[in-house]
Amino acid sequence: DIVMTQTPLSLSVTPGQPASISCKSSQSLLHSDAKTYLYWYLQRPGQPPQLLIYEVSNRLSGVPDRFSGSGSGTDFTLKISRVEAEDVGVYYCMQSKQVPITFGQGTRLEIQ
Amino acid sequence: QLQLQESGPGLVKPSETLSLTCTVSGVSITSSSYYWGWIRQPPGKGLEWIGSIYYGGSTYYNPSLKSRVTISVDTSKNQFSLTLSSVTAADTSVYYCWVVIENTDYWGQGALVSVSS
Repeated sequence: DIVMTQTPLSLSVTPGQPASISCKSSQSLLHSDAKTYLYWYLQRPGQPPQLLIYEVSNRLSGVPDRFSGSGSGTDFTLKISRVEAEDVGVYYCMQSKQVPITFGQGTRLEIQ
Repeated sequence: QLQLQESGPGLVKPSETLSLTCTVSGVSITSSSYYWGWIRQPPGKGLEWIGSIYYGGSTYYNPSLKSRVTISVDTSKNQFSLTLSSVTAADTSVYYCWVVIENTDYWGQGALVSVSS
């Protein structure tokens, strides 16, 4: 299995300040089709996860541009340029390069 | 608009079989290239992929659960289902049904299933 390791596990951020979450995979997520199957989700309290970013750096339609994803191979980062109150929740990275699909442990973001 | 809704018993006894159904609306479950699946989340914990199925027959299961899991499709009802046998307290979770369509996905609201005598 590909192990996904997120750091930090929790973040406390003042509104308007940036935030960054790291996700490292135990194997490269670059597929032979040249795509990198790394995704970022936000799970707000009491809700199912919501996809924010697909294939490392592509924002879903409707996701604010303060969210950005970057990285390659085994090292990936989700950045929020200016945190807002609605960004509270748990962020997960996920890989679907190979079965089983695996998730990071989650990073809890709270507002100071 | 595509919607998913889980249904099934909220309480299952240890050693019995958990069965959940996901009703799909807004799209046909026979649509090609759609990847239907189940993910679970124990209370207060992270996400675990259970398995997925492509319409047309290909199924993929988490090896950690493979001997106990079956995912199937009922085209007449536009539903897909999960069965998990020989459950224990460790299977207590919110179970989500999930569909991946190209570069987006949709989730059900989740169904809490508790395993207890």
